[in-house]
Amino acid sequence: QLQLQESGPGLVKPSETLSLTCTVSGASITSSLYYWGWIRQSPAKGLEWIGSLFYTGTPFYNPSLKSRVTLTVDTSNSHFSLKLTSVTAADTAVYYCARFELGIGRFDPWGQGTLVTVSS
Amino acid sequence: SYVLTQPPSVSVAPGKTASITCGGDNNEGNSVHWYQQKPGQAPLLVMYYDSDRPSGIPERFSGSNSGNTATLTISRVEAGDEADYYCQVWHRSSNHVVFGGGTKLTVL
Repeated sequence: QLQLQESGPGLVKPSETLSLTCTVSGASITSSLYYWGWIRQSPAKGLEWIGSLFYTGTPFYNPSLKSRVTLTVDTSNSHFSLKLTSVTAADTAVYYCARFELGIGRFDPWGQGTLVTVSS
Repeated sequence: SYVLTQPPSVSVAPGKTASITCGGDNNEGNSVHWYQQKPGQAPLLVMYYDSDRPSGIPERFSGSNSGNTATLTISRVEAGDEADYYCQVWHRSSNHVVFGGGTKLTVL
């Protein structure tokens, strides 16, 4: 059964870089049917799509975050990663990773989520 | 930019039918997916391609999409259906994903 697990620091200082990793287990990260995505959720903005990428490394990003986001994939370790630069308090959120099924456009399943707080 | 509009809240008595709408001027031609999120949990896919149910989702959940409005309908509502519900669209032409603002379903 496919499972996704987010990991990374729960506290990041303003202006620094938020880095998270999503480990995929129970299925291949190199499937041609799926992208791998990041979504965040804050009380102020609800669910916000950050971006998604293919196992070959081809990404697509939310235009509103594109200038600060980098997504990468490590197929040998079956994980993919998010970097968000120049963070502010507005980036405080629960960050989820999820499998994105290309063609259908749905996210399923999701990781349990990890809270990242931006504070000095 | 793409916007999906949901009512902030819907209330329904147990055993009745709840309808949650998702409006967007770009809905037409794009499939709508729905997620259920209970407190402290990750979102769970409950409807995809407007009206298809993933395995394990009760038949009480149904969906439709007509014109510019998609609707998630929950029949014979139970206390366990109380949750936040989000719609989502993938605009394939631009590879842009959008979520609605969410609807809190309260079972009276």
